[in-house]
Amino acid sequence: DGGITQSPKYLFRKEGQNVTLSCEQNLNHDAMYWYRQDPGQGLRLIYYSQIVNDFQKGDIAEGYSVSREKKESFPLTVTSAQKNPTAFYLCASSRGDFTYEQYFGPGTRLTVT
Amino acid sequence: GNSVTQMEGPVTLSEEAFLTINCTYTATGYPSLFWYVQYPGEGLQLLLKATKADDKGSNKGFEATYRKETTSFHLEKGSVQVSDSAVYFCALRGSSASKIIFGSGTRLSIRP
Repeated sequence: DGGITQSPKYLFRKEGQNVTLSCEQNLNHDAMYWYRQDPGQGLRLIYYSQIVNDFQKGDIAEGYSVSREKKESFPLTVTSAQKNPTAFYLCASSRGDFTYEQYFGPGTRLTVT
Repeated sequence: GNSVTQMEGPVTLSEEAFLTINCTYTATGYPSLFWYVQYPGEGLQLLLKATKADDKGSNKGFEATYRKETTSFHLEKGSVQVSDSAVYFCALRGSSASKIIFGSGTRLSIRP
């Protein structure tokens, strides 16, 4: 089955620690995205990558970092500089740029205390 | 800039009721409009879309018509089911290949 995998489903961390969220896709998509979802708010774009070894900041990139060393993988690191890291994080992928349909993973809920 | 406003939830209906979730937008040019659905514990799925004025998107009994004169894209379903319980997001993409702007989401609960 083709799809997007995010792991783990729930993640707990202490304040001041960096944490890396995994996103893997086997859809052979060129583009991948990270969104943040907070209660009562729409999704906000953190970072996106339209090709391997290249990525761009989205609307709320501060306190986050990404890498795109392989087409299948787009891990997101939430650093200690992110002031409010507790949120639901969604990864997505698409065949090409924003004109193509995005397919979403099941998400990771991160809680930082 | 571009923006999307959708009705606040939660919306609670009985099974077989008629559903409307309002969505209005602000955008320059000719955006594409979308409805996404998020079932409990899952990521978003594209439900339907419309790419030009007067287009009607439809899927799984849901419909929405792109109304440029009222800048609206309301989601409707004639008879909802318990399985329709989810969060629904209205979204737009600007006329160029720009990022998708999402509304805040409307939680829908259907009572048996």
